[in-house]
Amino acid sequence: EPEVTQTPSHQVTQMGQEVILRCVPISNHLYFYWYRQILGQKVEFLVSFYNNEISEKSEIFDDQFSVERPDGSNFTLKIRSTKLEDSAMYFCASSEARDSGGSEFFGPGTRLTVL
Amino acid sequence: SQQGEEDPQALSIQEGENATMNCSYKTSINNLQWYRQNSGRGLVHLILIRSNEREKHSGRLRVTLDTSKKSSSLLITASRAADTASYFCAPDPPGAQKLVFGQGTRLTINP
Repeated sequence: EPEVTQTPSHQVTQMGQEVILRCVPISNHLYFYWYRQILGQKVEFLVSFYNNEISEKSEIFDDQFSVERPDGSNFTLKIRSTKLEDSAMYFCASSEARDSGGSEFFGPGTRLTVL
Repeated sequence: SQQGEEDPQALSIQEGENATMNCSYKTSINNLQWYRQNSGRGLVHLILIRSNEREKHSGRLRVTLDTSKKSSSLLITASRAADTASYFCAPDPPGAQKLVFGQGTRLTINP
């Protein structure tokens, strides 16, 4: 069964460093998402991406964040200058459709630890 | 708000028993999705039910949807220890570009 994959599974970085989290969505999916979950808290939406542009972003997704689909298979989340409060699990998701009832499938997550 | 509210917040039952979790929401929806999350792991998609469906089954899972009451339920029959996890509903309104998750129901299956 196709699945969303994410690398790395765990990333440790120093505050102020740039990180890139990578995702390979399910191949025939057209909509891509990033969510995050701070330890013990709810899963929070960051950004959705369709047709090579951001379709919606949350207040969390400020200028320090960016997303890119550099080729036909990868979808990346870049944090330019990490802060301690960026420590969280980051989940990538993809769906085939939206309004016609496409399920969102999530990857296993990348645990980001900012020291 | 797009967020679903799961009830109860926590549920503890014996292995073999059935577990029922409820979800209420406030908006109109195209569909509603249920997810499971094991501690520290990713969200696993369980089932999607469309707004014109009233009930859907998948293995030991049964989901109902009542759009007039803006509520859904997830029933897990013959529970197993491996069902121990948090369960989330995610209502998906028309035009939404994301899912919004609540606190979930933390289900514990006791051997």
